[in-house]
Amino acid sequence: QVQLVESGGGVVQPGRSLRLSCAASGFSFSSYGMHWVRQAPGKGLEWVAGMSYDGSNEYYADFVKGRFTISRDNSKNTLYLQMNSLRSEDTAVYFCAKDHTWGHYLEYWGPGTLVTVSS
Amino acid sequence: EIVMTQSPATLSVSPGERATLSCRASQSVNSNLGWYQQKPGQAPRLLIYAASTRAIGIPARFSGSGSGTDFTLTISSLQSEDFAVYYCQQYNNWPYTFGQGTRLEIK
Repeated sequence: QVQLVESGGGVVQPGRSLRLSCAASGFSFSSYGMHWVRQAPGKGLEWVAGMSYDGSNEYYADFVKGRFTISRDNSKNTLYLQMNSLRSEDTAVYFCAKDHTWGHYLEYWGPGTLVTVSS
Repeated sequence: EIVMTQSPATLSVSPGERATLSCRASQSVNSNLGWYQQKPGQAPRLLIYAASTRAIGIPARFSGSGSGTDFTLTISSLQSEDFAVYYCQQYNNWPYTFGQGTRLEIK
């Protein structure tokens, strides 16, 4: 059974950094692409970033390019999102999601972790 | 980036009736289109992929159609548990993009 559990969210001041983690289990993590998607309070879904199964390819939404970095540690079955220079508009629930393979649909989702950027 | 536009923003339908939700892409996404359902306080759930294939465990009352730029999600006979927000998402081009969502509410 696929399980994805995000952690690392919390309250952070504007301009500061935060690192999110997503612990994966129930599937062969190193064989699948992974993604981060966010949802601001009361708003729709926004895709943030995606990484291939081996970490050789990564893609970002324009609004996070240069500020956020996606990475993975296949030995720990964990996906990360390093978020720097945080802004109030980055306040959202951040979901990690498993790709069907790589470059496909988002097959399974974690419950999300809330990031609040506020002074 | 490809812009996904969903209509209507809100759809009011009675239980047992049919609901038809639309999604339009600003350029062709072929059949690389997924539909997701989200209930309050929950993560999204995959319903349909490749525009018309139901995901594992999704009831037959959910169906998807379309290709290129115009897509439809149809729920043939609404059950109480179907009232939620629905999103389309293209995975044909990077960056992936979602529509703004259609809220399906009880009439």
